[in-house]
Amino acid sequence: EVQLQQSGPEVGRPGSSVKISCKASGYTFTDYVMNWVKQSPGQGLEWIGWIDPEYGSTDYAEKFKKKATLTADTSSSTAYIQLSSLTSEDTATYFCAMKGFAYWGQGTLVTVSS
Amino acid sequence: DIQMTQSPASLSASLEEIVTITCQASQDIGNWLAWYQQKPGKSPQLLIHSATSLADGIPSRFSGSRSGTQYSLKISRLQVEDTGIYYCLQRYSNPYTFGAGTKLELK
Repeated sequence: EVQLQQSGPEVGRPGSSVKISCKASGYTFTDYVMNWVKQSPGQGLEWIGWIDPEYGSTDYAEKFKKKATLTADTSSSTAYIQLSSLTSEDTATYFCAMKGFAYWGQGTLVTVSS
Repeated sequence: DIQMTQSPASLSASLEEIVTITCQASQDIGNWLAWYQQKPGKSPQLLIHSATSLADGIPSRFSGSRSGTQYSLKISRLQVEDTGIYYCLQRYSNPYTFGAGTKLELK
């Protein structure tokens, strides 16, 4: 059974960074790219980008190129997203998703607050 | 960027009613279109992929269709558990874009 287990909620200070994890199980981690999606409170869904865990290659939406950094650790089958220079606009739930968005993590709430 | 114009924004329907939600793509996206249902506090669930293919485990009352650059999700006999927010997603080109969502409630 495919499972994507995300790390717990994070609180970040304005200007700081946070790093969220997404641990994959139930499939070969390097077989599928991992996508990341942002959902601001009460809002819709925005695609951030994907990482190919096998090669480390990435593709980002232009809007998130300076905000998000996607990495992956094949030894632990875990994908990461780091969000930098946090502002209130980054307060949101972040999801990982794979296999054409067929499987999703449960989401991680990031709150930016001083 | 490809814009996905989803309508209606909200919808109230009765049990067993037929419901249709549409997404209009701003340019050709082929069959790179999927539909999702999201319940409060949960992650989206895939309903339809490749515009018309039913995802595993999804009831057959859900169906997807395509006419040119207009895509539709149809629920043939609305059930209580079908309430939620529905989104379309195009994966044809970067950036992948979601529709704004349709909030479906029971009348």
